[in-house]
Amino acid sequence: DVKVTQSSRYLVKRTGEKVFLECVQDMDHENMFWYRQDPGLGLRLIYFSYDVKMKEKGDIPEGYSVSREKKERFSLILESASTNQTSMYLCASTETSTGNTIYFGEGSWLTVV
Amino acid sequence: AQTVTQSQPEMSVQEAETVTLSCTYDTSESDYYLFWYKQPPSRQMILVIRQEAYKQQNATENRFSVNFQKAAKSFSLKISDSQLGDAAMYFCADLTRGGKLIFGQGTELSVKP
Repeated sequence: DVKVTQSSRYLVKRTGEKVFLECVQDMDHENMFWYRQDPGLGLRLIYFSYDVKMKEKGDIPEGYSVSREKKERFSLILESASTNQTSMYLCASTETSTGNTIYFGEGSWLTVV
Repeated sequence: AQTVTQSQPEMSVQEAETVTLSCTYDTSESDYYLFWYKQPPSRQMILVIRQEAYKQQNATENRFSVNFQKAAKSFSLKISDSQLGDAAMYFCADLTRGGKLIFGQGTELSVKP
């Protein structure tokens, strides 16, 4: 029973390309998140969204943008990919800010060459 | 600013022994939730334990328990009777009412047979 789906598990992109990472959840959750995970740095919040068309910057939003046109889908966009954006990207969702279970995708491994 | 700090990049424990992982956090909100997540090599995030900040009683889940010190903003995880399957990366996280979910840098736990 897959609940949070990241459509691309492994991607290789060239420097300067526009990259879309898609995340879909089937639980009607309000809150969705995008993180990047790097060794020694843990999970760093890029952007989060608490409703359709609503977004908030996380701790490292530079070089990224997001889109949430529908409640179930939260997209992360790298406008012009750079090698320092090579990382594992993790999507998460939760019902509200009530501390209920947080669901995670399986991660998207992005390599920028 | 909302921050979560895990000061132990690596920890090691002998099988059947007890280990404590440290976590401190900083938030200006009075209502929030704290979590410990486990991430095995598969990279799937697994909920270990959850604490509601307004509850003074420390949360417990079988061999896992927390020491929640709200005034000190400390949230440590104790693993009793450690098992080989406990070896993983452990992340501490803070979810505020505003919907921002922040993780720490992670602690890599190894279990020696």
